[in-house]
Amino acid sequence: QVQLVQSGAEVKKPGASVNVSCKGSGYIFSSYTIAWVRQAPGQGLEWMGWISCYNGHTKYEQEFQGRVTMTTDTSATTAYMELRSLRSDDTAVYYCARMLGATYSFDYWGQGTLVTVSS
Amino acid sequence: QSALTQPASVSGSPGQSITISCTGTGSAVGSHNLVSWYQQHPGKVPKLMIYEASKRPSGLSDRFSGSKSGNTASLTISGLQAEDEGDYYCCSFAGDSTVVFGGGTKLTVL
Repeated sequence: QVQLVQSGAEVKKPGASVNVSCKGSGYIFSSYTIAWVRQAPGQGLEWMGWISCYNGHTKYEQEFQGRVTMTTDTSATTAYMELRSLRSDDTAVYYCARMLGATYSFDYWGQGTLVTVSS
Repeated sequence: QSALTQPASVSGSPGQSITISCTGTGSAVGSHNLVSWYQQHPGKVPKLMIYEASKRPSGLSDRFSGSKSGNTASLTISGLQAEDEGDYYCCSFAGDSTVVFGGGTKLTVL
C-alpha cells in the first residue's frame, strides 16, 4: 500500500532552518511528483511547491522563493523540504503529498510534521 | 495572482444534500478542469474526494460529486451523514505549474 512517512516534530528558534523528510513506499517513487503543503494552527491549506521525483525539477510558490529548497534522494525514496530564516508565522503542520499523475491533485498524504518556531 | 473563494461555513441535516462552491479568479478554475476537493477532519490528514472537477477516487462513496461551470466549481454531498462533518478545501491549477487552495468551508451536520 502507498505510504508517505514524515519525520518527527521540530522546535526551532527564529532565524534557524528546518529540514523535513518524507519517505515514500508501496509505489514507484521516481514516477511521481511530491508536493509540500502547510497548515498553520486553525488555518487553511497552503501549497508551498513541488518536486518531480523523476528529474528533480522544482516549482515553488512565490512567497517561499529564496527560503525553501526541495530535494529528493531516489535511492532512499525520500523527499526533503528545507525552510530557512524561520519566523514565528512559519509555525505550522507541514505535509508532503503525492500528485496524482498530471491532475494537479494529491492522492496520498504524509501524516504531517509540526514545526514550531519560538524563541 | 489566482485565488479561490469558498463560503466559510455550510450546514445541513442528516439525509439532506448540501453544495459547497469554489469560485476562482485569474487562471484558477475557469479555463480547465484541474480542480480537486479535500475533506479534513479535526487533527487529521486531508483526504482527496474529487479530482479533475468531477472524478471520484476508487472506493469513495458516490454520495460525493463534483461539477464545474465557468469559473465556479462545486462539491455536492447527498444523503448527509454525521461523519461528513469537517472542513472541505478546493484546490485548482493556477497556471505556470502552480496550484492554489481555497480558504476552506466548515461543514456542520445539524
